[in-house]
Amino acid sequence: EVQLVQSGAEVKKPGESLRISCKGSGYSFTTYWISWVRQMPGKGLEWMGRIDPSDSYTNYSPSFQGHVSISADKSISTAYLQWSSLKASDTAMYYCAKTSSSAEVDYWGQGTLVTVSS
Amino acid sequence: QSALTQPASVSGSPGQSITISCTGTSSDVGGYNYVSWYQQHPAKAPKLMIFDVSKRPSGVSNRFSGSKSGNTASLTISGLQAEDEADYYCSSYTSSNTFVVFGGGTKLTVL
Repeated sequence: EVQLVQSGAEVKKPGESLRISCKGSGYSFTTYWISWVRQMPGKGLEWMGRIDPSDSYTNYSPSFQGHVSISADKSISTAYLQWSSLKASDTAMYYCAKTSSSAEVDYWGQGTLVTVSS
Repeated sequence: QSALTQPASVSGSPGQSITISCTGTSSDVGGYNYVSWYQQHPAKAPKLMIFDVSKRPSGVSNRFSGSKSGNTASLTISGLQAEDEADYYCSSYTSSNTFVVFGGGTKLTVL
């Protein structure tokens, strides 16, 4: 069974750093991209970027380039989304997602809620 | 503003059919047969319902179907059921450096 299991909810202060994780199982982790998708409270889905776990090649949506960093450790089938300095506007649910080369997402993580508040 | 345009809401009665549109450009929806549709119930992760414009993943009801004409893709749900009430999002591969673009989402209400 394909599963993407994400790390738990986080509460942080503005300016703090954060890394959330997404562990894949039940499929060949290095064969498919992992995307990260943001959903702000009451809003729609926004594609943030993706990583190829086989070689850690990444590309980002211009809207998120420079503000987040995506990485992966293929030895433990885990992808990461990282911030160096959080803002209140980063408060959102973040999903990782198994992504094909034709851009469909067939499996999603359960989501990680990130709350940034002073 | 989302890259793909969807109606904010649609509604229908049980047993009826509804169609949700998703309009993009020749750089995304119109240029590739890589349109997907996702269903999202409140406080749940999205679920893939349609991929490659009209293909259904295993386990998805055949009441859900997809199509495309020009720069507009469509999701049709026939025989509406109460459980279909959810938010629906389209997405497409794009030749821009974004790779994936989503629609703004459509709230389906089953009356």
